[in-house]
Amino acid sequence: AQRVTQPEKLLSVFKGAPVELKCNYSYSGSPELFWYVQYSRQRLQLLLRHISRESIKGFTADLNKGETSFHLKKPFAQEEDSAMYYCALYNAGNMLTFGGGTRLMVKP
Amino acid sequence: DAGVTQSPTHLIKTRGQQVTLRCSPKSGHDTVSWYQQALGQGPQFIFQYYEEEERQRGNFPDRFSGHQFPNYSSELNVNALLLGDSALYLCASSLDLRDTEAFFGQGTRLTVV
Repeated sequence: AQRVTQPEKLLSVFKGAPVELKCNYSYSGSPELFWYVQYSRQRLQLLLRHISRESIKGFTADLNKGETSFHLKKPFAQEEDSAMYYCALYNAGNMLTFGGGTRLMVKP
Repeated sequence: DAGVTQSPTHLIKTRGQQVTLRCSPKSGHDTVSWYQQALGQGPQFIFQYYEEEERQRGNFPDRFSGHQFPNYSSELNVNALLLGDSALYLCASSLDLRDTEAFFGQGTRLTVV
């Protein structure tokens, strides 16, 4: 069975500091991984997916199959990055499995 | 395009009652999935509908059932409500079964008392 783990419930950093939100997964097949973000009073929305290998709002994430990780990184955090971040895995059964989420707080 | 819309936004029900939640997918999308998000947790997959049939189901009891209509809108029904069913229920739509990008609605907050 697939599982996604986000070990940190809360991550607090100062503006301009680097950010890394951790995500580990377990899945026997070839996973497709995503990061979703939920800003205050907004709906859950896709931030980025590993297959596109792009940077969105300065965030990047690299799939490490050896370590079964998909950590989200940003070199310089901004206050507007404060939000809930969810790592998710999409399996061949067309369902998303989400981690428990990490709340990122960027302090001024 | 209003995106994925859900109704109602909030609902309070009593234990043992039944509830129906509604979802209209994003324009052009024909696949609808439902998720339950308990407080402080990530969303959990309930089931997915495509071509008016349930295609995939997560680890939820038969008290949870659904329906998809010819216009692709969907309903989630929960029978014999338990206190533990209190949660945010999210609907997500995607272009089709092969599309892995899900667009989420604002959710329906269900409180069971």
